[in-house]
Amino acid sequence: AQKVTQAQTEISVVEKEDVTLDCVYETRDTTYYLFWYKQPPSGELVFLIRRNSFDEQNEISGRYSWNFQKSTSSFNFTITASQVVDSAVYFCALNQAGTALIFGKGTTLSVSS
Amino acid sequence: DAMVIQNPRYQVTQFGKPVTLSCSQTLNHNVMYWYQQKSSQAPKLLFHYYDKDFNNEADTPDNFQSRRPNTSFCFLDIRSPGLGDAAMYLCATSRERDSPPQDTQYFGPGTRLTVL
Repeated sequence: AQKVTQAQTEISVVEKEDVTLDCVYETRDTTYYLFWYKQPPSGELVFLIRRNSFDEQNEISGRYSWNFQKSTSSFNFTITASQVVDSAVYFCALNQAGTALIFGKGTTLSVSS
Repeated sequence: DAMVIQNPRYQVTQFGKPVTLSCSQTLNHNVMYWYQQKSSQAPKLLFHYYDKDFNNEADTPDNFQSRRPNTSFCFLDIRSPGLGDAAMYLCATSRERDSPPQDTQYFGPGTRLTVL
């Protein structure tokens, strides 16, 4: 069975702090895909990144970076120099091609000024 | 801009009164999905259309139905809403379903349903 665990329910930081959101997944398949979505208070789920199981290269996009480690079944997300606009719920998700997205329960990030 | 649009953003209905939620897309994607997201929970897939082919999740209640009259539009019908159906309903689309990365899902802003 597939499962995604986001152990951090809520995180609060002050602007300019770095913050890492943890994601641990379970799957028996060798081919799978991992995602991060951001859900601001407006409600829309915004796609941030997609990773396939054969690509363990870390990725950086501006202030965002992702660390994928198959050895620990983790796909962690780091925001550098956080800003108030980063306040949102962040979901990690997992699927195989053609199957439903399995979401974690989400981590609520609050960034104060 | 190409996008996924949901109307209305907020919908209030009465217990047992049928309600329809709307989703449209300008992305020309083949697949459209409906998710239910209850407060402080993860989104849960209800069903999806791959072109005209309807695919229901095994645990989706019969109270929920969907229609896709054309590529651009998809509707979620709740035949007899109960208090437990109050939630955010999210529509998503993907270009393909079984061909990564074209199956990446893009979401609309959601419709928040209140049942009185």
